[in-house]
Amino acid sequence: GAGVSQTPSNKVTEKGKYVELRCDPISGHTALYWYRQSLGQGPEFLIYFQGTGAADDSGLPNDRFFAVRPEGSVSTLKIQRTERGDSAVYLCASSLTGTMNTEAFFGQGTRLTVV
Amino acid sequence: AQKVTQAQTEISVVEKEDVTLDCVYETRDTTYYLFWYKQPPSGELVFLIRRNSFDEQNEISGRYSWNFQKSTSSFNFTITASQVVDSAVYFCALSERLYGANSKLTFGKGITLSVRP
Repeated sequence: GAGVSQTPSNKVTEKGKYVELRCDPISGHTALYWYRQSLGQGPEFLIYFQGTGAADDSGLPNDRFFAVRPEGSVSTLKIQRTERGDSAVYLCASSLTGTMNTEAFFGQGTRLTVV
Repeated sequence: AQKVTQAQTEISVVEKEDVTLDCVYETRDTTYYLFWYKQPPSGELVFLIRRNSFDEQNEISGRYSWNFQKSTSSFNFTITASQVVDSAVYFCALSERLYGANSKLTFGKGITLSVRP
């Protein structure tokens, strides 16, 4: 597609449930990022993929969060045993190379609400 | 650790006014990039401008201009003759090295700009 696509756009789930959030990056972009944006805050880094491998997952808050990118394109962010504090907008971004001088293109995000 | 501070939280102006958004950053890296992103109500972050740490030349691009000063670690962004469509949240961001040449972004908290007709 022309831009980064994220599905679903909105997800409401009950506390304790498992959720998956999907990201379709721009075709040909090798770098893919997940960020989390809480209300009134800037996006915070979660995890970075270069190709198929998670090159840096230092931003994942705990082991309930996991992400994969098995074929180096689509990525899925998985959250187990969701908690109310996980409610936020989850943003995906991709860039051509992942180096400092390449801009990241963001999707519209998935708004996750845990009730 | 890297840090980006956007001290202004909300700014309201009348259409056609000029408005400057402030950004102060902290980093130990000697090579870094600074960015401004716009987030309209639709939620998508839109890239506006990028500047590298070796180039302090200030530029103008249409109604946008930016003032990068390493001496004060500031990267301010000005919109000239603001328009209602400029209403959005504006984020300043700093690239942070991960490994090798790869990087991630550290964002400020954002400034909500409202432009009234």
